[in-house]
Amino acid sequence: GAGVSQSPRYKVAKRGQDVALRCDPISGHVSLFWYQQALGQGPEFLTYFQNEAQLDKSGLPSDRFFAERPEGSVSTLKIQRTQQEDSAVYLCASSLLARQTISGNTIYFGEGSWLTVV
Amino acid sequence: AQKVTQAQTEISVVEKEDVTLDCVYETRDTTYYLFWYKQPPSGELVFLIRRNSFDEQNEISGRYSWNFQKSTSSFNFTITASQVVDSAVYFCALSGGIDNFNKFYFGSGTKLNVKP
Repeated sequence: GAGVSQSPRYKVAKRGQDVALRCDPISGHVSLFWYQQALGQGPEFLTYFQNEAQLDKSGLPSDRFFAERPEGSVSTLKIQRTQQEDSAVYLCASSLLARQTISGNTIYFGEGSWLTVV
Repeated sequence: AQKVTQAQTEISVVEKEDVTLDCVYETRDTTYYLFWYKQPPSGELVFLIRRNSFDEQNEISGRYSWNFQKSTSSFNFTITASQVVDSAVYFCALSGGIDNFNKFYFGSGTKLNVKP
């Protein structure tokens, strides 16, 4: 499709289980982002890739969270030993350029992966 | 520090009423960008508008209009003659900084309920 695609859309994990969330950005987009959105809150930044390079991972809440984008296109967010506080929607976004410009650089979001840890 | 405040948690209006969603931001950067996104129940964030800090012109797009005022650090969003399809959560976001890597700071969102 033409948009950002994420899978799975819904995931229920038992506490302690590892999960992997996949993001297919729009083809050709340089920038890729992961955000975490808790229920009733705004999205919070997790990490940013420019092509295959992870340039900012300051938002990853713990070392249980790991993201990669090995070939500069598809990205995977992995959460090890999931905890209940990890329950959230994980949003992936992509944009064509590496940074905002005066002329614009729209960031497109996927529908998110809804993770519930029980 | 970057921060966005959307003080209105939830607003309910009757169809055809006008409604304004407030957004107040904090930043030390001189160059920054402000955004509004719409999030319907499906979860996807839909881009509505972007404003850079050097352009304080108000903008109108159909029933939507935006009022950017640097003096009060506000970027408010008005929907004229609201419709049921406008029901969603609306987020204001801020991006800026030395690196300018498109890192967004979102407000907590305003849920808009438009009743027929």
